[in-house]
Amino acid sequence: DTEVTQTPKHLVMGMTNKKSLKCEQHMGHRAMYWYKQKAKKPPELMFVYSYEKLSINESVPSRFSPECPNSSLLNLHLHALQPEDSALYLCASSQEGVLAGGTIEQFFGPGTRLTVL
Amino acid sequence: ELKVEQNPLFLSMQEGKNYTIYCNYSTTSDRLYWYRQDPGKSLESLFVLLSNGAVKQEGRLMASLDTKARLSTLHITAAVHDLSATYFCAVDGSGGSNYKLTFGKGTLLTVNP
Repeated sequence: DTEVTQTPKHLVMGMTNKKSLKCEQHMGHRAMYWYKQKAKKPPELMFVYSYEKLSINESVPSRFSPECPNSSLLNLHLHALQPEDSALYLCASSQEGVLAGGTIEQFFGPGTRLTVL
Repeated sequence: ELKVEQNPLFLSMQEGKNYTIYCNYSTTSDRLYWYRQDPGKSLESLFVLLSNGAVKQEGRLMASLDTKARLSTLHITAAVHDLSATYFCAVDGSGGSNYKLTFGKGTLLTVNP
């Protein structure tokens, strides 16, 4: 299985809602990533999990809360979002990090298109 | 801070023509990645370039890396409409970071009949 899956594909939520985005990979990758992408911009890194531990938090507001229940799953919990948080949220995975002698060729899921009203 | 610059940012070309997209980066790195993104879709890995002088080809696309010049090129040969997409280059290893990819702004390629 060489796929990263994400659910849901689309999500519309109000500013007071709580929702979660889910990501799954079965490639045995040990690093998983959340990105946010606005239209016509490159992806912006939000979080990195390595071996199920949070490795990078790019100063993301606390209304975004990541969780890595196991090596195959990555969640992003959303609470009290703002309209400017509307974007495409991409999950990715890679085998290992650079320091392990590998590459970080990242394999991306299809994304969740999030709209905050 | 690692900077990755792509040019051009917009490229409109006719089918059958050749063109090159350039990716410059500001710190030493041996690894460079090219991705393709179709409108409204996710990113697809095209090439991973792992050393100075690396060249990889897939169909009408050929990517190369010159680490001394801190430059990668993505050459398009005899463009076809199906190549219309946004192309991103990305570099890793900035400041010893184990996982961070720094992306260029992307090149929006439109191939016209």
